[in-house]
Amino acid sequence: SQTIHQWPATLVQPVGSPLSLECTVEGTSNPNLYWYRQAAGRGLQLLFYSIGIGQISSEVPQNLSASRPQDRQFILSSKKLLLSDSGFYLCAWSPESRAGGPETQYFGPGTRLLVL
Amino acid sequence: SQKIEQNSEALNIQEGKTATLTCNYTNYSPAYLQWYRQDPGRGPVFLLLIRENEKEKRKERLKVTFDTTLKQSLFHITASQPADSATYLCALDYTGGGNKLTFGTGTQLKVEL
Repeated sequence: SQTIHQWPATLVQPVGSPLSLECTVEGTSNPNLYWYRQAAGRGLQLLFYSIGIGQISSEVPQNLSASRPQDRQFILSSKKLLLSDSGFYLCAWSPESRAGGPETQYFGPGTRLLVL
Repeated sequence: SQKIEQNSEALNIQEGKTATLTCNYTNYSPAYLQWYRQDPGRGPVFLLLIRENEKEKRKERLKVTFDTTLKQSLFHITASQPADSATYLCALDYTGGGNKLTFGTGTQLKVEL
């Protein structure tokens, strides 16, 4: 069966510090991968998605970046965190799309980031 | 721009009653719509998917309807239980490519004894 891992679970970082969140998926190949952010009491905001190694689409301009160095690994990074980067970060995967989907998304446990 | 609307106010119902949650969307006619459940501090979990040619879909105590004329989906939980308390999100693929979902902000359901 497929599983998705995210770490760390919780992170407290000072403003201006770098960030690296990692997500890995097991039990599937060529997944679509996604990074979302959920601010307190808000909906899910899609940040990045990837359909393959090195293929990243950015949804929202910001100081975050994403990379996919391996098929089942997705990394979210920042060189300098802002206060507004605080939130709940969720990684998700879906099966490789088949001619228009639909595809269900499967979410990881999330990382709660607090920038002080 | 695309917009998905869900009731922002929490829905409180008594155990055993039927909970009905609403999802309205604009500016697009999606081929399918999905519902997810999210518990506090956890990632969303997929519940049901309904296609545009399916007026209704059922799974155990869950029922989803999809009215493409009204641009609305209703999500029903029958014989509700306290364990059903959570936030429920609807999601649409506005791209039509099957790759990306846009999520509503969700409706919090509280089932009381």
